This record gives sequence, structure tokens and C-alpha cells, in this order.
Amino acid sequence: GESVGLHLPTLSVQEGDNSIINCAYSNSASDYFIWYKQESGKGPQFIIDIRSNMDKRQGQRVTVLLNKTVKHLSLQIAATQPGDSAVYFCAENKGSGAGSYQLTFGKGTKLSVIP
Amino acid sequence: GAVVSQHPSRVICKSGTSVKIECRSLDFQATTMFWYRQFPKQSLMLMATSNEGSKATYEQGVEKDKFLINHASLTLSTLTVTSAHPEDSSFYICSAMNPDRIYGYTFGSGTRLTVV
Repeated sequence: GESVGLHLPTLSVQEGDNSIINCAYSNSASDYFIWYKQESGKGPQFIIDIRSNMDKRQGQRVTVLLNKTVKHLSLQIAATQPGDSAVYFCAENKGSGAGSYQLTFGKGTKLSVIP
Repeated sequence: GAVVSQHPSRVICKSGTSVKIECRSLDFQATTMFWYRQFPKQSLMLMATSNEGSKATYEQGVEKDKFLINHASLTLSTLTVTSAHPEDSSFYICSAMNPDRIYGYTFGSGTRLTVV
């Protein structure tokens, strides 16, 4: 899993622009990935998920890309809005074996939208 | 659907006292729940997996005698922080697996614990 740092990476984008948030995962056995949005003082909120047999999945204004070769996940947010300002976490699930129901969270990225 | 209610949202307690945090699945039965801890500007760290009717499974480095977990019903798991100290101050979050959805994890709103 990801190491936990003391400072969150920050991404600042202008309102209306597209945002790309990246995540590197370490477990090649992971077969399910989720992006969560966390606002200050709240629990994580599901955004979008993807299985390892896919490399792209689209939702409303969001797209998740998965590159298993380099163990990289990205979240693209189209036409970013002020309400998108939050911390975004990727999470992975290894799918089988001991602890297979557990999620491992990445370190997170703070998205700040400039009006 | 798939709502998880966590209470209290904030609690302040004195050092040496115990605090209980509740996590309820409101519209589904959850045989498995998870407890996380989150320090400021950091990620969620899994503390333990709570299984209905059996003992919780704790992650390495988490003291099971300090963080007592009880999952006595299919809709309720509790985390009790015993003999709390200021270093236990943190944001605690639970999540529940919804068996009706493959990989359906629903998170509670979190509990801000401050030990003074």
C-alpha cells in the first residue's frame, strides 16, 4: 500500500478547467479500485470504481483510467466546480486471499478550485 | 440506500476515560465493518475488521485491549477507546460492507475524538 506522508499533495485548478488526480498503487494483486472524495470533517464519499479487467470507466463528469503495467490510477474531473474542492483518495482491494475485503487507501490529493 | 450512521460526530473526553463510538448500517445488514483512523492531512489507516458474532481482526500495531470492538448484531459495530490519552485524539471512521452490492463499501461520517 501507499506510505502515508505528513503533507497532502495539492492541486489547484481554475473553475471550469479539467482536473487530473493521480495515484500509484503498489499491490499488483489488487483487482478493484475506488476513488473517494472527502470533504473536511466528513467520511469518504464514493465517486467511481473500476475493475482490473478494464482500463477506463466514465461517470458523470468523472473518468477513471487504470494502467496496470505501471500500477497507476487517475481520476479526471471535467469542468471542475467549486464544489469539487476536497481531498481525493484512491483505494485498492486485492480481491482474494486473507484480508481480501479490506481497502488500502492512497495518501490523497487536495483539490482546490479557484473561482 | 446503503446508509451508515456513525455517532457521535464529535466527542471531547478527559484523559483516562473511555469513549464509545457507534457505527450502524441503517438499511442493510453488514456482517463486516471496518474501523479506520485518520490523522490531520493524512490518509485513512485501517485499524481493524469487525465481524458480526466473532472477534475483530486488528491490524499490526493496533492494541486490541485499547480499542475494543464489538459487533454484536448485523447492524451495529462499536469501537471503545479505553483509557484515552491525548495521542488517541484523531478522526475515527467506520465503513460497512453491503452484501447486496459487490465490493459495496459505505462509510460513516466520522467521529472527531479530542482527549484533553
